[in-house]
Amino acid sequence: QLVLTQSPSASASLGTSVKLTCTLSSGHSGYAIAWHQQQPEKGPRFLMRVNGEGSHNKGDGIPDRFSGSSSGAERYLTISSLQSEDEADYYCQTWDPGMWVFGGGTKLTVL
Amino acid sequence: QITLKESGPTLVKPTQTLTLTCTFSGFSLSTSGVGVGWIRQPPGKALQWLALIYWNDEKRYSPSLRSRLTITKDTSKNQVVLTMTNMDPVDTATYYCAQRLNGPIDYWGQGTLVTVSS
Repeated sequence: QLVLTQSPSASASLGTSVKLTCTLSSGHSGYAIAWHQQQPEKGPRFLMRVNGEGSHNKGDGIPDRFSGSSSGAERYLTISSLQSEDEADYYCQTWDPGMWVFGGGTKLTVL
Repeated sequence: QITLKESGPTLVKPTQTLTLTCTFSGFSLSTSGVGVGWIRQPPGKALQWLALIYWNDEKRYSPSLRSRLTITKDTSKNQVVLTMTNMDPVDTATYYCAQRLNGPIDYWGQGTLVTVSS
């Protein structure tokens, strides 16, 4: 079964970096994923696609502070030079022809 | 510029059928590879995928809700319609439509809050 696992919460200080993790279920370690950001009281926004070999493709207008990477079944979203507006929920998403799958989301608090 | 916008009732009664419309612009649902799907988010909870329709009219549904969902498209009107039968208070959520070209969701609608209450 295709499942994505995320930690419920993360925190980091203003101006520092944070790395969020999304883990693919067993047997699916080669899948690409996408990261979506949902700021408080807003709809989600596509940030980037992260491929199994580690490359990433960002959406329109996504700042360079956001980057993606991979290791095995884990997919990462790194946000550098954290700003207050980065405080949001971050969801990973994957797909196959039959479905879309979301992780449970990580709530990022910027201290 | 790609945009999607959801429309439909804000309040439905238990056991009623919900019909939501996603009206989009900036792309065509007749283009190979394109898909439009529906996702919901109960208050304070995570995103949940519901249904997906592709350019070739193939349809996919969440296994847990398959029996209650129908997704259709009207390419000439640039619309995708989702119906969900037998609504229950636990179906109270913000409902989003979203577009994919080749893989992940690329664009989201702003969402519409649907409350199920008598």
